[in-house]
Amino acid sequence: DAKTTQPPSMDCAEGRAANLPCNHSTISGNEYVYWYRQIHSQGPQYIIHGLKNNETNEMASLIITEDRKSSTLILPHATLRDTAVYYCIVSPESYSGNTPLVFGKGTRLSVIA
Amino acid sequence: DVKVTQSSRYLVKRTGEKVFLECVQDMDHENMFWYRQDPGLGLRLIYFSYDVKMKEKGDIPEGYSVSREKKERFSLILESASTNQTSMYLCASSLLGRTYGYTFGSGTRLTVV
Repeated sequence: DAKTTQPPSMDCAEGRAANLPCNHSTISGNEYVYWYRQIHSQGPQYIIHGLKNNETNEMASLIITEDRKSSTLILPHATLRDTAVYYCIVSPESYSGNTPLVFGKGTRLSVIA
Repeated sequence: DVKVTQSSRYLVKRTGEKVFLECVQDMDHENMFWYRQDPGLGLRLIYFSYDVKMKEKGDIPEGYSVSREKKERFSLILESASTNQTSMYLCASSLLGRTYGYTFGSGTRLTVV
């Protein structure tokens, strides 16, 4: 079972910031928060991940609360091409073993012109 | 561009046929994965492999088998296709232990009639 809870759908106006929430209240100390997205008819694409600190890359920012029980993915200036299903996943990043990612149902983000 | 290539985009097979879905990656990744995706159920892990000739069952392995004879190729086999195996099949690969770096193929939409 997925260890995260996400809203099933959200809308965002083009050019505005899209803030996608994720609850992971049972996250363990060694588990990272990962975000992927899946644009229609394509395979999922990695966006960003983090452990405790906030992270930013060219695609998005990840804000993790201090207690690590929730996080928010921020797309600073959403475009129509950001319309996709966004998956929040928690999983250990293990270099000695392999723990496959478990995808939940995600949030369907619709960016509206 | 690094790639995960799935041999067919669309496939139609008859009930009872043996079906092979092929996946090839050119990134020298150790890990390879097969997921299936169905409406309302998200992505579910069928099998994964972290080395040549190694395989591990995922959450829904029943009715499937896999083969990994070479590092770059991971095959999913439906021994006797059934209509409930009609689905989108997604292959992914990653470096050993690096769960953030999954690269997915574009998927094979299999219809069993």
